[in-house]
Amino acid sequence: AQTVTQSQPEMSVQEAETVTLSCTYDTSENNYYLFWYKQPPSRQMILVIRQEAYKQQNATENRFSVNFQKAAKSFSLKISDSQLGDTAMYFCAFMKHGTGGFKTIFGAGTRLFVKA
Amino acid sequence: EAGVAQSPRYKIIEKRQSVAFWCNPISGHATLYWYQQILGQGPKLLIQFQNNGVVDDSQLPKDRFSAERLKGVDSTLKIQPAKLEDSAVYLCASSLESTGTQYFGPGTRLLVL
Repeated sequence: AQTVTQSQPEMSVQEAETVTLSCTYDTSENNYYLFWYKQPPSRQMILVIRQEAYKQQNATENRFSVNFQKAAKSFSLKISDSQLGDTAMYFCAFMKHGTGGFKTIFGAGTRLFVKA
Repeated sequence: EAGVAQSPRYKIIEKRQSVAFWCNPISGHATLYWYQQILGQGPKLLIQFQNNGVVDDSQLPKDRFSAERLKGVDSTLKIQPAKLEDSAVYLCASSLESTGTQYFGPGTRLLVL
């Protein structure tokens, strides 16, 4: 069975600095997708970034980038130039294509505080 | 483009009562998901629909939870009877089958007393 582990329950960063959130996963699949979702205090989950496992190039979205290490089964999120609005819960998610469609597993989340 | 809609936003009930949640996905999204998110945890998938068929309900407590997706669009999730441990946020999400990226609604916060 697939598992997703986020080993940092809480992190804090000073505004304008860089922070990295870690995520490891366990799977025997070769083709899958990885995601980082953000859940602000208002609780609506928002996609931050996604990575297809077959792509070697790390995904980037403006200030957000990932370090995808397939062999190590690691998928960390780097937030550059942190802003107060980045304060939220961040969830790492793994998705595989099984019978009937995609199956998603979320990690327990990392609560990020951006300090002014 | 309208997002995923859910109602109600909040619900307080007593244990052993029944409750129902409604979700309207993004237009054209074939896949619909219901998640349970207990405070301090990540979302747990309860059920996944592809159009109006169930493709995964392995973590749905079928003795008390039920869900349907009529005509492959709107969906309802029902709990009958509710238990204290059902207190959680119930999230609905939808996706285009081919991409897998999920778009979430605002959730329904359920408190069972």
